[in-house]
Amino acid sequence: EAGVAQSPRYKIIEKRQSVAFWCNPISGHATLYWYQQILGQGPKLLIQFQNNGVVDDSQLPKDRFSAERLKGVDSTLKIQPAKLEDSAVYLCASSPPRGLAGGYSYNEQFFGPGTRLTVL
Amino acid sequence: SQKIEQNSEALNIQEGKTATLTCNYTNYSPAYLQWYRQDPGRGPVFLLLIRENEKEKRKERLKVTFDTTLKQSLFHITASQPADSATYLCALDLSTGGGNKLTFGTGTQLKVEL
Repeated sequence: EAGVAQSPRYKIIEKRQSVAFWCNPISGHATLYWYQQILGQGPKLLIQFQNNGVVDDSQLPKDRFSAERLKGVDSTLKIQPAKLEDSAVYLCASSPPRGLAGGYSYNEQFFGPGTRLTVL
Repeated sequence: SQKIEQNSEALNIQEGKTATLTCNYTNYSPAYLQWYRQDPGRGPVFLLLIRENEKEKRKERLKVTFDTTLKQSLFHITASQPADSATYLCALDLSTGGGNKLTFGTGTQLKVEL
């Protein structure tokens, strides 16, 4: 089974520029998450999608961050304009619908490798 | 607001010993608690989930306990190996109707030495 794919893996930009990250979740996973992980901290949820609808975006800085999940599959996260404090790893995760068979607990999340963003 | 505390200092132990990591939380009563492993440059990987009505869960050399009175979870790795060296994250599960919402601790870095 293919895992969660993310691109790019690394990105360096200057402050005030814009950047976009892409995520392809595991096939059949209805829920998709974007997390921000600052060095030395745990992941912090930015936004959660259920299919193509937003379930929770309470911690998304909406003045500069936006995310979409067209057709309920792939998702993009955009930052415009970027600030120095946006330097972090951006992780995408997905989870299966509750009760989906496959040998794993229905509440676990599967993470991609992340995109490391450096804002100069 | 919810607060999750894990040992902020790295834990160094000798190969073969049991590693015990602590996760304490306040102001919340989670239905589930999860533990993840994270290696440098990679995303977290799910290890174990324990429900509020379960005291203990085991998987191979891993054991998790969950004390809802103390608001604490302990994560044990028995017969530790250098390959167990990683950062371990605990996460509270704020389940919603549309999926599960995780709040992560800061993680504890474990180093298993020969």
